[in-house]
Amino acid sequence: DGGITQSPKYLFRKEGQNVTLSCEQNLNHDAMYWYRQDPGQGLRLIYYSQIVNDFQKGDIAEGYSVSREKKESFPLTVTSAQKNPTAFYLCASSMRYIRTGMENTEAFFGQGTRLTVV
Amino acid sequence: RKEVEQDPGPFNVPEGATVAFNCTYSNSASQSFFWYRQDCRKEPKLLMSVYSSGNEDGRFTAQLNRASQYISLLIRDSKLSDSATYLCVVNMRLRGSSNTGKLIFGQGTTLQVKP
Repeated sequence: DGGITQSPKYLFRKEGQNVTLSCEQNLNHDAMYWYRQDPGQGLRLIYYSQIVNDFQKGDIAEGYSVSREKKESFPLTVTSAQKNPTAFYLCASSMRYIRTGMENTEAFFGQGTRLTVV
Repeated sequence: RKEVEQDPGPFNVPEGATVAFNCTYSNSASQSFFWYRQDCRKEPKLLMSVYSSGNEDGRFTAQLNRASQYISLLIRDSKLSDSATYLCVVNMRLRGSSNTGKLIFGQGTTLQVKP
């Protein structure tokens, strides 16, 4: 059963600690993304990766780091440098393909991780 | 100017109404367009891809206007279960590039369908 899995669903962190959020997909997708969502707000792009061993900063990369050592995995580390880390974190993956002559790159999301700094 | 802009609403409509959302994007190089639906405290789920020729899926119709750089979503015969936030998504990828591109989300439009 193919999909994208984020863990844990809820995470509590003490101020000043680094924490790593897991994201795994078995969809054979090339691209993976990390977004942050604050209450009542849209999704903001943190980092994205088009291919293994390569990734680019999104709009709000400061205080975050990522790695893409395997196609299936794209973990996100929230470092102590992130000043306001409490948020809903969403991981997504996508693959470019052509269907009926049209290009498609729709993304599929994991269920998200709610991070709370205490 | 934001790369993808939506009216956040909320749009409050009675059951059975027709409602339309618009979304504008700033980068003319954008290649792919989507509407996602997000329920409260859940992950976004793909509602429709948006094609140049327009596309329809049951009560939902999506259209793209490249000249004016906007996409639209029309919902006919609204149901209570349509209440959600609708997110406009644009894939910004250079034409001819082989990579997947960068997905940019609008802030979402909230729809409340009332009995």
